[in-house]
Amino acid sequence: DQQVKQNSPSLSVQEGRISILNCDYTNSMFDYFLWYKKYPAEGPTFLISISSIKDKNEDGRFTVFLNKSAKHLSLHIVPSQPGDSAVYFCAASAGNSGYALNFGKGTSLLVTP
Amino acid sequence: GAVVSQHPSRVICKSGTSVKIECRSLDFQATTMFWYRQFPKQSLMLMATSNEGSKATYEQGVEKDKFLINHASLTLSTLTVTSAHPEDSSFYICSARDLLRPKLNEQFFGPGTRLTVL
Repeated sequence: DQQVKQNSPSLSVQEGRISILNCDYTNSMFDYFLWYKKYPAEGPTFLISISSIKDKNEDGRFTVFLNKSAKHLSLHIVPSQPGDSAVYFCAASAGNSGYALNFGKGTSLLVTP
Repeated sequence: GAVVSQHPSRVICKSGTSVKIECRSLDFQATTMFWYRQFPKQSLMLMATSNEGSKATYEQGVEKDKFLINHASLTLSTLTVTSAHPEDSSFYICSARDLLRPKLNEQFFGPGTRLTVL
């Protein structure tokens, strides 16, 4: 049962524009959310996270928004760069589960020049 | 800092053999390590949570006798796939938590191990 869902398997954006990656979750016990970037045959690299007590967290070009009532979060990348092309995974955890991560299926982002 | 290594990066073995995968935290101590498996075009699925000095906690549907996990030190956890079969072919990734990091929930991932069982 997929508790974290990324419904868009792929996204193509022009360089310089904003990339918006979406993620939905079903488990109301999740209290921490993370975004990871992954290249083929490599482990995920941590990008940015947000606690459930916040609705926004910003780090450079990356901003994560959390809408708890809708159980929805999004990652905004602006401006998008070709080097951002990768698969982005949304992950969530609940403190009472030992912080094990539940991942979505990922969204493949392609930033074109 | 916060580098996690895995060895080997790729392994090909015959059906019925056992394969050991090592996960090391190189510059921090990890009391908790996690093992994930990723099938093509799928998400990373948590297999088990490994705590140093104690037995691993396995997720539902993961056979503990088939996937043996040992976490004998604060920097090393091993996953042994026993009597491997072709359906065990997958990408295995470990992650580790650094308890000294201010963000309690950050996990640092290894580069993964591609297992192919013939």
